Amino acid sequence: QVQLVQSGSELKKPGASVKVSCKASGYTFTSYAMNWVRQAPGQGLEWMGWINTNTGNPTYAQGFTGRFVFSLDTSVSTAYLQISSLKAEDTAVYYCARRRVYSQMYYFDYWGQGTLVTVSS
Amino acid sequence: DIQMTQSPSSLSASVGDRVTITCRASQSISSYLNWYQQKPGKAPKLLIYAASSLQSGVPSRFSGSGSGTDFTLTISSLQPEDFATYYCQQSYSTPSFGPGTKVDIK
Repeated sequence: QVQLVQSGSELKKPGASVKVSCKASGYTFTSYAMNWVRQAPGQGLEWMGWINTNTGNPTYAQGFTGRFVFSLDTSVSTAYLQISSLKAEDTAVYYCARRRVYSQMYYFDYWGQGTLVTVSS
Repeated sequence: DIQMTQSPSSLSASVGDRVTITCRASQSISSYLNWYQQKPGKAPKLLIYAASSLQSGVPSRFSGSGSGTDFTLTISSLQPEDFATYYCQQSYSTPSFGPGTKVDIK
């Protein structure tokens, strides 16, 4: 069965960096793009961007350029989200989500369990 | 960018009630509309894709309709496990989510 398993919660100080992993299993990793979604405490869902799992080419949403980096290790079917120069407002749950294409449309059919990143001094 | 709105932002309902949630796009998105359910502390779960297609394994009491700018998610008979927050999401252009509708117990 398809599973996306993310790394555990992180507590970081402002200015530090964090790397969140998302390990996929149960399907061919390079057949589906991986997306990242942020959810700040008590807030809604915000799409951060996606990475082409064939080419490794990332696309970042507005507001997620510069400090956010998507990467892959296809040898272990894992996607990564790295955030540098952390700020208090980066405190959120970060989800990876598989993108499924349907007749020119797409949707996020499987999600990781989420990784809470807390930024606090 | 396409803005998504949902109404109501929250509602209280009883088990067995018929519940309808509305999602509106700031411009036409054809049928490029998906619905997700999220329970506290859990990841979102896909319910409906392409406006009206039921995701495999999702109970048939959930249904979606609409096209263009106006869409609805209907739960025909609310069950205890349906108390959650529901989000719409468009995939017509850069993906965006609605602000969510929280369904709680009356």
